[in-house]
Amino acid sequence: DIQLTQSPSTLSAAVGDTVTITCRVSPSVSSWLAWYQQKPGKAPKLLIYKASTLQNGVTSRFRGRRSGADFTLTISSLQPDDFATYYCQQGITFGPGTKVDIK
Amino acid sequence: QVQLLESGPGLVRPSETLSLTCNVSGASISSDDYYWTWIRQPPGKDLEWLGYIYYTGSASYKSSLRSRLTMSVDTSKNEFSLSLGSVTAADTAVYWCARGVGGPTITYYYYLDLWGKGTTVTVAS
Repeated sequence: DIQLTQSPSTLSAAVGDTVTITCRVSPSVSSWLAWYQQKPGKAPKLLIYKASTLQNGVTSRFRGRRSGADFTLTISSLQPDDFATYYCQQGITFGPGTKVDIK
Repeated sequence: QVQLLESGPGLVRPSETLSLTCNVSGASISSDDYYWTWIRQPPGKDLEWLGYIYYTGSASYKSSLRSRLTMSVDTSKNEFSLSLGSVTAADTAVYWCARGVGGPTITYYYYLDLWGKGTTVTVAS
């Protein structure tokens, strides 16, 4: 089975900051990694798929990259609307999530 | 604009069967491109993939739920359904239907590009 670990589990940041979340995949077989944003009481929203492809309508402040088994989601110039929980996913497995809250 | 909408009872008694339906509007469910998927999230816990059904009726389920889970599709109504039997409090969760995009094998090549709003199901007597 695929294992996904996300770090950090919680991240405190200020508006305007640039933050990076890492998702490590084991075993690393595919580049089909997706990132989702979830706000309380809402469905997850697809941000990025295939590691680095931005979903239609998603701001370019979100960027995804792959380096071997590590996938990163970088959010530039953090906005108030970006404070949420972020999940990575590969195949039928989700990561445990990273909560981005206001410092 | 494609939309997915879940429906079903919000309260299910322990040992009974949880049944949910997802109606797809704005596009045909009979597409070769998509896997019609169910996801859930228990309170305070992680997202959990439950399974998918293809428009042909071919389905794949989470291995630990396989004995209790059935999915079906009704192309005439453009909807798909989930049935989870012998429920316990551990099945209390928000349930979402979603549209999956898959590659050579969904174990490694799969993501969910469209989600319903979700429905909360509580298992309690």
